[in-house]
Amino acid sequence: AQSVSQHNHHVILSEAASLELGCNYSYGGTVNLFWYVQYPGQHLQLLLKYFSGDPLVKGIKGFEAEFIKSKFSFNLRKPSVQWSDTAEYFCALLGGSQGNLIFGKGTKLSVKP
Amino acid sequence: EPEVTQTPSHQVTQMGQEVILRCVPISNHLYFYWYRQILGQKVEFLVSFYNNEISEKSEIFDDQFSVERPDGSNFTLKIRSTKLEDSAMYFCASSDRQIFSPLHFGNGTRLTVT
Repeated sequence: AQSVSQHNHHVILSEAASLELGCNYSYGGTVNLFWYVQYPGQHLQLLLKYFSGDPLVKGIKGFEAEFIKSKFSFNLRKPSVQWSDTAEYFCALLGGSQGNLIFGKGTKLSVKP
Repeated sequence: EPEVTQTPSHQVTQMGQEVILRCVPISNHLYFYWYRQILGQKVEFLVSFYNNEISEKSEIFDDQFSVERPDGSNFTLKIRSTKLEDSAMYFCASSDRQIFSPLHFGNGTRLTVT
């Protein structure tokens, strides 16, 4: 069965700390992976995506993610977080042929100024 | 940047009532989706829609649900007889291609069934 797991429910960091949010997936087909971010009161926005090629993907706002096929992982990283990164982060897998995304439960990130 | 817009932002309804959630996708997009997120749970796929018909639907999308694109700009989700467990945030999304194209999401409609 297709699934996405995000093991961290809530992460609290101080500004300038490094961030890594875990994402593991279960899927037998060609993998297309996404990270979305939802700032308070706003819609889901695409941070970055992986379809093929270089497994290290760079996204907006200094975020990057690494696809490690052997670990079924697609962890999100940022070297130095800012208060404005406070949001909920969702990892998602393209699970079907018609664009239906399978989401993880999300990880809430709180950055203390 | 064009956005997907959803109305209303919050809808309160009584159990058994019909509700219609409205979405205006990005104008040149051809693929439309509804997702929902029950509080504290994952965002779940409900249905995808292309060329005026449902492309795919999940188990959640039973006979109580229907979608429509009535006028070429709006994309609606109707729940015929709401249940308490339908309370959730409902997200509309659209994309311009079927694959290799990220979904653009609206801000969501919070549906509360009492």
